[in-house]
Amino acid sequence: DSGVTQTPKHLITATGQRVTLRCSPRSGDLSVYWYQQSLDQGLQFLIQYYNGEERAKGNILERFSAQQFPDLHSELNLSSLELGDSALYFCASSQVARANTGELFFGEGSRLTVL
Amino acid sequence: AQKITQTQPGMFVQEKEAVTLDCTYDTSDPSYGLFWYKQPSSGEMIFLIYQGSYDQQNATEGRYSLNFQKARKSANLVISASQLGDSAMYFCAMREAENNNDMRFGAGTRLTVKP
Repeated sequence: DSGVTQTPKHLITATGQRVTLRCSPRSGDLSVYWYQQSLDQGLQFLIQYYNGEERAKGNILERFSAQQFPDLHSELNLSSLELGDSALYFCASSQVARANTGELFFGEGSRLTVL
Repeated sequence: AQKITQTQPGMFVQEKEAVTLDCTYDTSDPSYGLFWYKQPSSGEMIFLIYQGSYDQQNATEGRYSLNFQKARKSANLVISASQLGDSAMYFCAMREAENNNDMRFGAGTRLTVKP
């Protein structure tokens, strides 16, 4: 158990809909990362937050947005869903943002299926 | 640009033998970290081993060791005495100090251990 909690574990929805994925980082971790893992694209970095502030952006679509709340939990919002958004979405956390020595601790992922 | 390259989409190894999974990387940042993660069929991402760019010795963690060749920019994972439970996807990843420390992953290698 990594200590990172993601909900829901599985989600099935239709094209055009909007969903919210939730992540609670490990206790004490200030930094949260979101990744998308699809079959044809591997693990793609989406976005990083540190103590409520956006720190880095990766390949995140404009239809997607995220935020980190004062209690450090984070949400990833996916809107106008398309079939290609079907993927496993991971949240990960680490203690600090600017420490290249720290491994990321991953949640179990939220598997999104868009029909 | 792809910064992490894993050239072996799939590897097979006989149980109890050693196997090397290749990883090359590209960076101009003198300060970086290299990581290996295991993803079994259940989907979770399990941290295995870390190597810092300034570390003089190769990292080891139990049956896992990292063959770090800095001049060649390679960070191969060696798994000794393979077990059936080692069958999984293995991802090499890097964090760069000058690049906000978000972690970028290679495409992965699927390892299958044969009995």
